This record gives sequence, structure tokens and C-alpha cells, in this order.
Amino acid sequence: DQQVKQNSPSLSVQEGRISILNCDYTNSMFDYFLWYKKYPAEGPTFLISISSIKDKNEDGRFTVFLNKSAKHLSLHIVPSQPGDSAVYFCAASTSHSGGYQKVTFGTGTKLQVIP
Amino acid sequence: DGGITQSPKYLFRKEGQNVTLSCEQNLNHDAMYWYRQDPGQGLRLIYYSQIVNDFQKGDIAEGYSVSREKKESFPLTVTSAQKNPTAFYLCASSLSVLYGYTFGSGTRLTVV
Repeated sequence: DQQVKQNSPSLSVQEGRISILNCDYTNSMFDYFLWYKKYPAEGPTFLISISSIKDKNEDGRFTVFLNKSAKHLSLHIVPSQPGDSAVYFCAASTSHSGGYQKVTFGTGTKLQVIP
Repeated sequence: DGGITQSPKYLFRKEGQNVTLSCEQNLNHDAMYWYRQDPGQGLRLIYYSQIVNDFQKGDIAEGYSVSREKKESFPLTVTSAQKNPTAFYLCASSLSVLYGYTFGSGTRLTVV
């Protein structure tokens, strides 16, 4: 049961253009959503998060949009740069027993930014 | 520099052998986690620990064991009971999930 889905395994974008990475989820109990970036043979690095009570969060070139009614979030990268080429993981968290926040990751989208 | 150190980066194991993956952090984070990544799949949680001397099973704990005797250290043992251990293993720690996890650089385990 994949609660967090990234339906596009890959995406190619021209340098300078906007990259839009999408993520859908099924669990309405998720209260935080996060995006991570991962280069090959390295651990993911945290990019940006958004609380379920907000619909937008911006940090420099990165903006995350949350549409709760559609159970959909997206990451916009503007402008895209070749260094943004990586795998992007969407993640969602929900409160678990004992105060633990359980995080569920999507399968990732490989972004290629073409110079 | 604060961070998480995983060692070794590459590990080869013969079938039937146990092997231990090291994870050390100097971020003063209470919570630590072990994830496994397989091709085409997201990160799956093996074990987590919210505090020293306490840990809980994640979604795929069978065939794995952990210990948390020190705040800084959370080693993972892949036992011979793990049916398909070849994978990329990631250790992480966090202060709060809202600020994201800090991940190590991973250990690629191959069973030969």
C-alpha cells in the first residue's frame, strides 16, 4: 500500500525553465510534508517542508504547494539549474504512538536539467 | 563539522554471515533511524530510536537488529535471517521531523 506516490519516475527540463515535481498521497492524517534531494551514492538532503495547515512554503528557488482537497503536493524549482539534477523524494509524516512522527517516502523522481 | 558518518561505504558479505553497519552522529539528535533503499522503491524504515536504550521496529525489521547504547551511535546488524540483504542502507537522525532528517552518505551492502 503506497501511501505516498510519485507517478513520474523521471523528468527533463531545460536550464532556466521551471521544474515541477508532483506527489500524491492517500492518508489524510499526514500533517507534515517534506522534499528531499538525493545524488547517486549519497544520502538524501532535506530541501523544504510544509505543514498541513498551509498551502504554500517558499525557500529561495524552491516552492512547495499543498492541495489538501486533492491530496496533492508539488515542488517548483525556478529557475532550474544543472546542479539540480538529482532524484527528488517526497515524504509525509504523521504522529505515531509515543510521540514518534512516522515518515513515509515516495519512490522518487529523477530530474535532469539540460544545459 | 556536525553530521552523520556511516561506515563502511561498500560492504560485501557472504551468505549466512552477519554484518554490522556503523552509524555515528555528532549533532546531538535524540532520534535516529535506519532506512533501506532498493531500486525503484522509496526509502523503507527498518528500525528507529527516539532515545538512548530504546528502539522500535519499523516496517521491514525482520532479519535486522539494532542497539542504542550511546546517543551518538546506532549500529545496524544485518543477520543471516534477512532473505534479501543486498541494498543501499541509510542512517538518519533528527531533532524534529519538521526540520527534516540529516542522512549519512549510506552503505551499499552486497551479498556474494
